Amino acid sequence: AQTVTQSQPEMSVQEAETVTLSCTYDTSENNYYLFWYKQPPSRQMILVIRQEAYKQQNATENRFSVNFQKAAKSFSLKISDSQLGDTAMYFCAFMKPFGGWGKLQFGAGTQVVVTP
Amino acid sequence: GAGVSQSPSNKVTEKGKDVELRCDPISGHTALYWYRQSLGQGLEFLIYFQGNSAPDKSGLPSDRFSAERTGGSVSTLTIQRTQQEDSAVYLCASSSRAQETQYFGPGTRLLVL
Repeated sequence: AQTVTQSQPEMSVQEAETVTLSCTYDTSENNYYLFWYKQPPSRQMILVIRQEAYKQQNATENRFSVNFQKAAKSFSLKISDSQLGDTAMYFCAFMKPFGGWGKLQFGAGTQVVVTP
Repeated sequence: GAGVSQSPSNKVTEKGKDVELRCDPISGHTALYWYRQSLGQGLEFLIYFQGNSAPDKSGLPSDRFSAERTGGSVSTLTIQRTQQEDSAVYLCASSSRAQETQYFGPGTRLLVL
């Protein structure tokens, strides 16, 4: 079974600053996908970034980037130039694409608060 | 619509009543998932549909929970004889196929009194 651990319940960052969220996971699989989703107070889960394990290059999406360390089973998210709209709960998620029906396993989440 | 929609947005019910929650996936998406988000348990997988069949029901917590999908589109999650521990946000997600990125609806917040 896979487990996903987010060890930071809450992080606070000032506007325009950078914050890094940690995520570690445990799996015996070699091929898998990792995701970061954000959930603002509206409750809508929004995809932030996706990483395929077979790709060595770290995924980036505008101000969001990941540091994927496969051997260490670590998948951290960096938010650069933080904006007030980035305030949300951030979830790290693991997907085993084959044999797992693509279901997502989520970490407990990290609440990010961006302050003016 | 362009995204996944769910109804109702909020539902308050009395213990012992049955409830139905609806999910409309993104048009053309064959894979559909239900998840539950609660304070105590976090985000949990409930059930997966591929077309109208459910090859993975492993996350359904009890036989009071059931789900169906018709026409490869709309899905309904039914909870019979609701209990207070069923109070949670129920999220639906769809993807073009099982290995692809899932897109979530806004969820249904269920409160059982």
